[in-house]
Amino acid sequence: AQTVTQSQPEMSVQEAETVTLSCTYDTSESDYYLFWYKQPPSRQMILVIRQEAYKQQNATENRFSVNFQKAAKSFSLKISDSQLGDAAMYFCAYRAYSGAGSYQLTFGKGTKLSVIP
Amino acid sequence: EAQVTQNPRYLITVTGKKLTVTCSQNMNHEYMSWYRQDPGLGLRQIYYSMNVEVTDKGDVPEGYKVSRKEKRNFPLILESPSPNQTSLYFCASSLGQGTFSYNSPLHFGNGTRLTVT
Repeated sequence: AQTVTQSQPEMSVQEAETVTLSCTYDTSESDYYLFWYKQPPSRQMILVIRQEAYKQQNATENRFSVNFQKAAKSFSLKISDSQLGDAAMYFCAYRAYSGAGSYQLTFGKGTKLSVIP
Repeated sequence: EAQVTQNPRYLITVTGKKLTVTCSQNMNHEYMSWYRQDPGLGLRQIYYSMNVEVTDKGDVPEGYKVSRKEKRNFPLILESPSPNQTSLYFCASSLGQGTFSYNSPLHFGNGTRLTVT
C-alpha cells in the first residue's frame, strides 16, 4: 500500500520569505500523480499544484513550485514571497496511475503553516 | 457555478441515532468519494463510486453506508453513529470513468463537521 509522509507537523515563515514543506512517499508504481492541497481555516480543500511522475520538469504555479525527486520519492513544496493568505494546513497526496490505487488519493497527515507578519 | 454541495455543514447527534449527510455535484462527474479528516491522521477515504449503482470501500468503511442511485448524489449514511465517528467529512467528485482523469482533479465540498455524543 502507498504511504505519504509529511514529517513537519508545523512550520512558520516570515511574510515575504520562502518556505519549503517536505513530503515523501512510498510506492512500487512507476507511473503516478502527486498533489499538494491547501486547507485554510475555512476548511475548503484547494488544489495548489500537481505533478505527473513521468515528467522530469518540476511543476510551477505562480509562487508555488515543487522539487520532485523520483528516485528519492520526495515531493517538496516551495512557497516563495509568502503571504498572510498562505497560512493554512497543507496536504501532500498521491494517486496511482492505474489499478485499484487510482481510485483514491492517499494523503499525508498535513503540515500547518503559519505566516508571521 | 460548478460545485460540490454538502449538507449539513455542522451536525451534533447522539450515539445510535441514524443520520445522513448529503452530497450533490452539478458537474456531471462519474466519480464521487467520501473522506474523513481527523487531527494527526490527514484525510482517509471511506467509500467511493465510479458511477451510478457502482460503489466500493475505501480505507475506513466500517460503520458507514453509501448509495449512488443518481449520478449527481452520493449520500453518506451512518446507521448507528458512535463517538469515534466524530470527524470532519468531505465529499469529492471528479470526471473519469474507470479511473479519474489527471486533467480533472478532485473537487471537494466544504465539509461537514459531525459530533457524536
